[in-house]
Amino acid sequence: EVQLVESGGGLIQPGGSLRLSCAASGFTVSNNFMSWVRQAPGKGLEWVSVIYGGGETYYADSVRGRFTISRDNSKNTLYLQMNSLRAEDTAVYYCAGMPWGLARLDYWGQGTLVTVSS
Amino acid sequence: EIVVTQSPATLSLSPGERATLSCRASQSVSSYLVWYQQKPGQAPRLLIYDASKRATGIPARFSGSGSGTDFTLTISSLEPEDFAVYYCQQRQFWPPITFGQGTRLEIK
Repeated sequence: EVQLVESGGGLIQPGGSLRLSCAASGFTVSNNFMSWVRQAPGKGLEWVSVIYGGGETYYADSVRGRFTISRDNSKNTLYLQMNSLRAEDTAVYYCAGMPWGLARLDYWGQGTLVTVSS
Repeated sequence: EIVVTQSPATLSLSPGERATLSCRASQSVSSYLVWYQQKPGQAPRLLIYDASKRATGIPARFSGSGSGTDFTLTISSLEPEDFAVYYCQQRQFWPPITFGQGTRLEIK
């Protein structure tokens, strides 16, 4: 059974930094594409970033230059380093697994809430 | 970037009724269209991929159709647990991965 467990969310002031983690079991992060998707309160889904099996990374325009996706193969864990946070980054952040390099999100974590507020 | 538009924004139906949700892409995405279901307080769940293929464990009352720019998710007879928000997503041209804004299916 695939499990993705996010952690690291919380309350952070504008301009601050936060690192989210997504620990995977039953699914090998290094061999698969992994994405971060966020959902602002009461809003729809917004894709944030993807890391390919080969390590290539892509970002939404709204976060490029501020967020960095990475992984630790030894820990089978995905990360999202978020810098220069803004109020509009407030959202539940989900990690999602994309097997076989297909752009569909088969597996989802439960999400972690990031609140950017002073 | 492909824009994906869902309609209606909200659909009010009763259990046992048939639900028809629409999704339109700004240009052809062939059959590379995905549907997700999200219940309150939960993560989205994969329902349908490649326009018409049910994901593992999805009941047969859920079906998808369409190709090119116009797609439909049909729930043949609504069960109480089907009332949720449904999102479509194109996977033909990415990144970025783009979602529709969602259709809220509520109990009438």
